[in-house]
Amino acid sequence: SYVLTQAPSLSLAPGRTATITCGASDISNKMVHWYQHKPGQAPVLVIFSDDVRPSGVPGRLSGSKSGTTATLTIRSVEAGDEADYYCQVWDTGGDHVVFGGGTKLTVL
Amino acid sequence: QITLKESGPTLVKPTQTLTLTCSVSGLSVSRSGTGVGWIRQPPGNALQWLAFIYWDDTRRFTPSLTDRLAITRDTSKNQVVLTLTNVAPVDTGTYYCAHSNGDGYFTYWGPGTLVTVSS
Repeated sequence: SYVLTQAPSLSLAPGRTATITCGASDISNKMVHWYQHKPGQAPVLVIFSDDVRPSGVPGRLSGSKSGTTATLTIRSVEAGDEADYYCQVWDTGGDHVVFGGGTKLTVL
Repeated sequence: QITLKESGPTLVKPTQTLTLTCSVSGLSVSRSGTGVGWIRQPPGNALQWLAFIYWDDTRRFTPSLTDRLAITRDTSKNQVVLTLTNVAPVDTGTYYCAHSNGDGYFTYWGPGTLVTVSS
C-alpha cells in the first residue's frame, strides 16, 4: 500500500521557521494536501494541490514539492501553530486516500 | 454555511456493528463530482482514512478494512452512513466525516465523534 513518511515531531522556538516534510518515492506524480489538527478539534485544510492556500489561512504557511518530498513551511511560528500536521494524497492507482503519519509541532 | 456532523453510539461492545451517520447541511451529497469520506483517529495515533462515497454511489474502502466496512447515502436526508462490523477495542477512536469537492482533498469536516469499543 502507498505510504507517506513524516517525521513524528518537531520542536522550535517562537519566530523560527518550521519545515514539515512528507516523503514518498513517486510523490512528484501526486497532488499533496496538508491539514492542521489541534486536540479536540476537526482537522483543518491549510494547503491543497501542493501549494495553494485556502482563504483564511495565514500567508506564513506555504507548501512546496521537490523530488520525493513535499514540504509544509510555517514562517515565524507562534504558540497558536502548535498542532499535528498531516499530509494527504489521493492514490489514483488504487483510488484510495492516504494520510501521512503526522508531525507534532511543538512551539517551545 | 456548510456543516457536517457525526452521530452514533459512544460505546459499542466487541463483535457488535458500529453505525455512524454524517448529516450534511449547506450542500448536497448528490452534487455531481463530490463525495463524503470517513476518517478515524485512534487515541494517540494518526488519522486513518476508512471509506469514501461519490455522488454517483461509487464506493472506496481502505484495503485493510474492506471486509468490515460499508458506506451508503441517504439523499432524502442528505446523510452518509458508515457501518463497521465485528468491532474490537482497536476500533476505538474519534470518527470524522468530511466532504470533498472531488479534487482529492477534504475541505469540510465534522467535529468528530468518539467511539469506545469495550465490554
